[in-house]
Amino acid sequence: KAGVTQTPRYLIKTRGQQVTLSCSPISGHRSVSWYQQTPGQGLQFLFEYFSETQRNKGNFPGRFSGRQFSNSRSEMNVSTLELGDSALYLCASAHRDPQETQYFGPGTRLLVL
Amino acid sequence: EDQVTQSPEALRLQEGESSSLNCSYTVSGLRGLFWYRQDPGKGPEFLFTLYSAGEEKEKERLKATLTKKESFLHITAPKPEDSATYLCAVQAPYSTDKLIFGTGTRLQVFP
Repeated sequence: KAGVTQTPRYLIKTRGQQVTLSCSPISGHRSVSWYQQTPGQGLQFLFEYFSETQRNKGNFPGRFSGRQFSNSRSEMNVSTLELGDSALYLCASAHRDPQETQYFGPGTRLLVL
Repeated sequence: EDQVTQSPEALRLQEGESSSLNCSYTVSGLRGLFWYRQDPGKGPEFLFTLYSAGEEKEKERLKATLTKKESFLHITAPKPEDSATYLCAVQAPYSTDKLIFGTGTRLQVFP
C-alpha cells in the first residue's frame, strides 16, 4: 500500500506571497492532520480534517488554513508568508477508529526569503 | 496544560552499548502514547503505540514501555543505523487525532 504523499517536496517563496501544499493520504484513510516542524518549536499541530470537516485546530494565526476533499486528499494554504513560516510541513493520515495511529508523509520543506 | 518532555536531548552511544530514552507526560486520560523515529529531512516513521500502563511492545532492538506518567524506549545493542531522532507523542481523550509531541532525543550510535 502506498504511503502518504506530499507535494511539492521543496518550495522557496518570498515574504508576502501565499503557498498551497498538498497531501494524499494512505488509501482508505479518512483523517488528515497537518503539523509544522521547526528546530526551535519541534512538531506543532496545525489542524485535522475528517470527511471534509475541520475537527480540531492548533494555535496558529488565521493565515494558515486548510481543506479536505471528498477523496480525502487535503491542502493547506498559508497566506502573506512571513520569514518565520519557514519550516517542514508534515501531513499525517489515520484510518479513523478510536486511538488511531497516524502515518506521516515525507513533508514539504518551505523556505521563505 | 498537556505537556510531553523527552530526555536526554541528545545521546551518543557506542555500538552495542544499550540505553534508554525517557518520555514523561502530563495529560488527563491518555488515549495513546506513540513513538516515532525521524531521520534528517524525512517524515516521522511510526514505531509503537502504547495504550495502558504496564504495556510493553518490542521491535528488533527496540522495546517501549509505559507507566502512568512516563514511557521508556529501551535500545538494546544499538547499531549505527539506529542513529536518528526519536519522538514521543501523546493523544488526549478530548482532542480527536491531535498529537502533542515532545522535542525528541537525538541518538547517535558510532562504531
